[in-house]
Amino acid sequence: AQSVAQPEDQVNVAEGNPLTVKCTYSVSGNPYLFWYVQYPNRGLQFLLKYITGDNLVKGSYGFEAEFNKSQTSFHLKKPSALVSDSALYFCAVRDGTGGFKTIFGAGTRLFVKA
Amino acid sequence: SAVISQKPSRDICQRGTSLTIQCQVDSQVTMMFWYRQQPGQSLTLIATANQGSEATYESGFVIDKFPISRPNLTFSTLTVSNMSPEDSSIYLCSVHGGLAGYNEQFFGPGTRLTVL
Repeated sequence: AQSVAQPEDQVNVAEGNPLTVKCTYSVSGNPYLFWYVQYPNRGLQFLLKYITGDNLVKGSYGFEAEFNKSQTSFHLKKPSALVSDSALYFCAVRDGTGGFKTIFGAGTRLFVKA
Repeated sequence: SAVISQKPSRDICQRGTSLTIQCQVDSQVTMMFWYRQQPGQSLTLIATANQGSEATYESGFVIDKFPISRPNLTFSTLTVSNMSPEDSSIYLCSVHGGLAGYNEQFFGPGTRLTVL
């Protein structure tokens, strides 16, 4: 069975500092991994994904994520946080061996303080 | 990418009534997904709707409570039947960006339902 964990309910960071939002996963086959962001009163938006290849993937708004197979992690990162990055972030996983069912993590709320 | 619209955007309903939520996509898609999200919380998949076949429901969700229609490749409806306050939530429609399993999903803006 697929599962995904986001161990932090909330992450606080000062503007200009690097940020990390953590995600670990469990799937029976090769994972397809995704990050989505939800801004207040807006729908979910796709940020980036890992399918295969380079472990470091780059996405929208300067975000990147690093796939670590041995640690089954897919942490979201950004070198310099902006106040406008404050939002709810979801990690999601899909089993790459088949099927289209996507499991979403509980979400991590990011607060960036000016 | 896909642009998804939902109607209504929000509604306040009385206990025991039903509400039908519409989802319209700007392109033809094979699968459409319906999720439920408590404000500020994670998404829970209700069902997958394929055109021309019965929807596939996840554990804890049944067709009598959440009937789904999928009359064509760009449209679907989700009905929340015999509502109770526990059904108060945001309901989201979603599609995949393509037929490949590794495509990301696109989401509608959601329907915020409050049941009194």
